[in-house]
Amino acid sequence: DAKTTQPTSMDCAEGRAANLPCNHSTISGNEYVYWYRQIHSQGPQYIIHGLKNNETNEMASLIITEDRKSSTLILPHATLRDTAVYYCIVRVPHQGGKLIFGQGTELSVKP
Amino acid sequence: EAGVAQSPRYKIIEKRQSVAFWCNPISGHATLYWYQQILGQGPKLLIQFQNNGVVDDSQLPKDRFSAERLKGVDSTLKIQPAKLEDSAVYLCASSLELAGPGTDTQYFGPGTRLTVL
Repeated sequence: DAKTTQPTSMDCAEGRAANLPCNHSTISGNEYVYWYRQIHSQGPQYIIHGLKNNETNEMASLIITEDRKSSTLILPHATLRDTAVYYCIVRVPHQGGKLIFGQGTELSVKP
Repeated sequence: EAGVAQSPRYKIIEKRQSVAFWCNPISGHATLYWYQQILGQGPKLLIQFQNNGVVDDSQLPKDRFSAERLKGVDSTLKIQPAKLEDSAVYLCASSLELAGPGTDTQYFGPGTRLTVL
């Protein structure tokens, strides 16, 4: 079973920041937080991952709370092409750590 | 860099028939995964290969599903005989899987949509 809880769906206005929350209250010390997204009719796409420090790349920012029990994925300027299902996953990198996908959050970016 | 290739993209068969899916991972990627994604759900791992050896097949229904990765490159996933509940998208992914950071990122192909009638 997935170890994360995410809202089923969210809306965001085009050009605004999209903030996607994720709860992972049972995360272990060696588990990282990963985010993937899946655009309709495509395979999942890696976005970002982190352990405890905030992370930023060209796609998004990841904010992890100090107690590591929750995190937020931020898309700073959402576009219509960001409409997708976003999955938050906790796993141990390498060591055969599985990607266990939950239901994810269906983000709709509206004009 | 070419991504993960899968074929066919779509397949329609009748129950009790057999079907095979093919995956070509990103060049140099040691680890290959097959996932099953039922409509409305997240992908579920079926089997993981490291080079041509199986690392994890605990979720593979072995009475009807089989997979192989000859020569540690391409892979095929077969279902024989198919059941109605096998209707799903079958996704292949690969990762470089070296010791360095980020090398376990999984890159997914577009998937094969299977409909069993």
